Amino acid sequence: QSALTQPPSASGSPGQSVTISCTGTSSDVGAYNYVSWYQQHPGKAPKLMIYEVTKRPSGVPDRFSGSKSGNTASLTVSGLQAEDEADYYCSSYTRGYNYVFGTGTKVTVL
Amino acid sequence: EVQLVESGGGLAQPGGSLRLSCVASGFTFSSYWMTWVRQAPGKGLEWVAHIRQDGSEKYYVDSVKGRFTISRDNAKNSLYLQMDSLRPEDTALYYCARRQWLALENWGQGLLVTVSS
Repeated sequence: QSALTQPPSASGSPGQSVTISCTGTSSDVGAYNYVSWYQQHPGKAPKLMIYEVTKRPSGVPDRFSGSKSGNTASLTVSGLQAEDEADYYCSSYTRGYNYVFGTGTKVTVL
Repeated sequence: EVQLVESGGGLAQPGGSLRLSCVASGFTFSSYWMTWVRQAPGKGLEWVAHIRQDGSEKYYVDSVKGRFTISRDNAKNSLYLQMDSLRPEDTALYYCARRQWLALENWGQGLLVTVSS
């Protein structure tokens, strides 16, 4: 149950796009289309942004999009806004009915 | 509105026990898998355990197997985490969460558990 690998940090200017990768294995990300992404602001609980690789819950802006290729999933935030500055975590369902989170990425809006 | 309110955290000694509770409202509690997630100070998220709607299936991260027990009482709309043989590395903010679409759609505010002598 090793954590999924994410880059520690990513950044972009307002209006630009930033993409965060999430690398797992053939037992988690590569095996299932059950990758989700969470946004966490300091001192707050995480918020679901993407589920089942590409789907957005109601209320999440369409600036947030997800994709997957092989054992790597990605989250793209287009048209960066100041309020997008936060920590982002991916998560995947794994064999054995378990879940695993990514290591987390701090997104900075320059 | 979905609400998840945790209680029961605090300070425990190594080797001690704590029981966390999470009371749910705003949805049909008995229809959803429920999950505990923790976050050590300054660290990332870690899935701890989850439980099927009727309590018949329970799964745990390896590091808590045999020490933590997840349970639920659907009549009380409540989720629990019994934490025994606590270790300093169990120090974290513990969140309960509602599972939807095999993702965690709703989260509580978090509950601090500190294990220290």
